[in-house]
Amino acid sequence: GQSLEQPSEVTAVEGAIVQINCTYQTSGFYGLSWYQQHDGGAPTFLSYNALDGLEETGRFSSFLSRSDSYGYLLLQELQMKDSASYFCAVLISSGSARQLTFGSGTQLTVLP
Amino acid sequence: DTEVTQTPKHLVMGMTNKKSLKCEQHMGHRAMYWYKQKAKKPPELMFVYSYEKLSINESVPSRFSPECPNSSLLNLHLHALQPEDSALYLCASREDRGRAYEQYFGPGTRLTVT
Repeated sequence: GQSLEQPSEVTAVEGAIVQINCTYQTSGFYGLSWYQQHDGGAPTFLSYNALDGLEETGRFSSFLSRSDSYGYLLLQELQMKDSASYFCAVLISSGSARQLTFGSGTQLTVLP
Repeated sequence: DTEVTQTPKHLVMGMTNKKSLKCEQHMGHRAMYWYKQKAKKPPELMFVYSYEKLSINESVPSRFSPECPNSSLLNLHLHALQPEDSALYLCASREDRGRAYEQYFGPGTRLTVT
């Protein structure tokens, strides 16, 4: 089976930088994705890492270390609208299909 | 059009009812998914359809019955549900294998079983 661990809650102030860590144990690993979900909304894709290193997309960056089974999402210049749940998700192979398995989620609260 | 639509938005049903959830996308995606999400929990995969064929069934009880009538539509038929089945049901789709990590989610159907 798969297991992913990420902190349940993180709080930061506007303008700050926050890092959300994710460790995983899985087989058939292709890569690590990150999704954002606002209360009452649908998950939306943020970032994906298949190889070791840092991927940058605007204010968000994501990092992966395959040897350490570890990744993180870095959010810079935090804004109030960044308050949401953030899920790491491993992309794995299951039979003929590829599927995402989500971590338990990190609730980010951005304070003024 | 980069949207996945789901109907209805809300559904209340009794344990003896039969109802269906519908999902539609016109992005040409050939993989579609049903997830179940409880409050403050992550989405849990239920079913995966690939090229209109069921490829993954995550040991979901038979009271949930998926159907993929064509490449744009995905249904979830519900029958004899239990109160613990109350949840947000999310549909998602994705492109071919090259971007399997990027799923597009619909807004979900919030289901309450009474």
